[in-house]
Amino acid sequence: SAVISQKPSRDICQRGTSLTIQCQVDSQVTMMFWYRQQPGQSLTLIATANQGSEATYESGFVIDKFPISRPNLTFSTLTVSNMSPEDSSIYLCSVGGGETNQPQHFGDGTRLSIL
Amino acid sequence: AQTVTQSQPEMSVQEAETVTLSCTYDTSESDYYLFWYKQPPSRQMILVIRQEAYKQQNATENRFSVNFQKAAKSFSLKISDSQLGDAAMYFCAYRTGTSGSRLTFGEGTQLTVNP
Repeated sequence: SAVISQKPSRDICQRGTSLTIQCQVDSQVTMMFWYRQQPGQSLTLIATANQGSEATYESGFVIDKFPISRPNLTFSTLTVSNMSPEDSSIYLCSVGGGETNQPQHFGDGTRLSIL
Repeated sequence: AQTVTQSQPEMSVQEAETVTLSCTYDTSESDYYLFWYKQPPSRQMILVIRQEAYKQQNATENRFSVNFQKAAKSFSLKISDSQLGDAAMYFCAYRTGTSGSRLTFGEGTQLTVNP
C-alpha cells in the first residue's frame, strides 16, 4: 500500500489564523480524500481532490473555509482558514479506492488545537 | 444515503479471549465493500480487514474474521486470542462499488483489552 506522509503532525494555533496541512504520497494516485475527526467522533469526509480539477466538497464544508490544492498526482494540501475552537480536530489525508477493489489508506493525521 | 451503525460504544475483553464487534449498515446498492479500521491512540487509521459484498465467504486475516450477513446487512468483526495491542477504537466503514467513491464510517467502538 502507498506510504502517506502528513505534515504537521500536530499544531496549536490562534483563533482567526489559518493553517495548511500537507499530504505527500510515495506513488501516483488518482484520488485523495480529506477527512475531519472531531474529538471523540467518527471520521467525516471534507472533500475529494482529483488532480487537475476542483475539489468536490461534502455538505457542510465550503471551499472558502477549507481550500484544497492538488497540484500533482502525489501531493495535496488542505488549508483550515480563519480558525475557531470548533475547528479543533484531527485532519486525515487518505488515498486509494481509485479501483473498486482497492481500500483506502490513511496518513497519520494532523492534530489541530485552536486556542 | 448509506448509513453505518455501530451500537456498541465500548467493549472490553480479557487478554487471550474472543470478542465480537457489531456493525450494521443500510444501503440500496448491490455492489459495495465493507471495511474494519483500527485507530489506536496514535490516531493512525489502520485497515484491519475488508469484505466484498459479492463474496459469500467471510474474510479472514489471521486473528481477525468477519461474519458478513448480506441479507441482514450485518458485518461483525471477531477478534480471537485478543492481545493488549488490539486495544483501540474500531470503525466499520462502507463504500459503494463505484470507482473512487467515499467511505462512510460508523461511530466507532472503543475496545479495551484487560491483562
